[in-house]
Amino acid sequence: DTEVTQTPKHLVMGMTNKKSLKCEQHMGHRAMYWYKQKAKKPPELMFVYSYEKLSINESVPSRFSPECPNSSLLNLHLHALQPEDSALYLCASSQDLRGSQPQHFGDGTRLSIL
Amino acid sequence: GENVEQHPSTLSVQEGDSAVIKCTYSDSASNYFPWYKQELGKGPQLIIDIRSNVGEKKDQRIAVTLNKTAKHFSLHITETQPEDSAVYFCAASSPANFGNEKLTFGTGTRLTIIP
Repeated sequence: DTEVTQTPKHLVMGMTNKKSLKCEQHMGHRAMYWYKQKAKKPPELMFVYSYEKLSINESVPSRFSPECPNSSLLNLHLHALQPEDSALYLCASSQDLRGSQPQHFGDGTRLSIL
Repeated sequence: GENVEQHPSTLSVQEGDSAVIKCTYSDSASNYFPWYKQELGKGPQLIIDIRSNVGEKKDQRIAVTLNKTAKHFSLHITETQPEDSAVYFCAASSPANFGNEKLTFGTGTRLTIIP
C-alpha cells in the first residue's frame, strides 16, 4: 500500500464544473508535488511545494490551482477544464527539495473531462 | 535542461531470464538516479535508486549500474517473474538552483514476462 493517499480515485466532470483533488501523506515529508500523466507517457511535473510554499510552477494554466493547507495535505483545485486535461493526476512527496531525496507517489486520480 | 533517453520501449522476456533496461542522461551535474515500476492502475513505485558516488547497487533480484563518464545507467532484473510485468521509468535529478531541483523521467519501458 502506498503511503501517499489520493482521493478520489476517479473523477468525471464537465468543462464548467469545479472540483478538487486531494493528497495526504504522514511521512513527515516537507516537499509535495503534483504531476500529470497521459497514457503511455512519463509523469510531467506541474507544481512543487516546499514547506507549504509554492516552489515551482511549470507554467501550468490557471484553471489548475494548487493549495497546501499544511505539511501533510496538498490539494489541486480544478475549474473550467478542457478535454485535453483528461489524464492521471499523481501526487508525490519527498523529505525535502534536495535533489537526492526519493519521491514517493500515490496511485493517482484518473480524471475524465466530458 | 536535463534530457533522459530510455531503451528499449518494449521488452519481452521469458520467465526466469534476465531483463536489462538502459538510460542515458545529458546533464553531467545530475547526481541521483531512481527507477520506478508502474503497474496498471497504480502510481509509480520506487524500486531502486543510485547516487552518483556509487557505481552499482543491488537489492535481491534488482540491480542498478551507473557509468558517470558515459552518462548512462541501467536496470538489471534477474530471474524474472510474471509479477515483474509493468512499465519501468528511469529518472535523473539535477542539483540546479535550490528550489528548482526536479526529476526528469525517461519515456518508459513496457516489460512483459512470458510464462
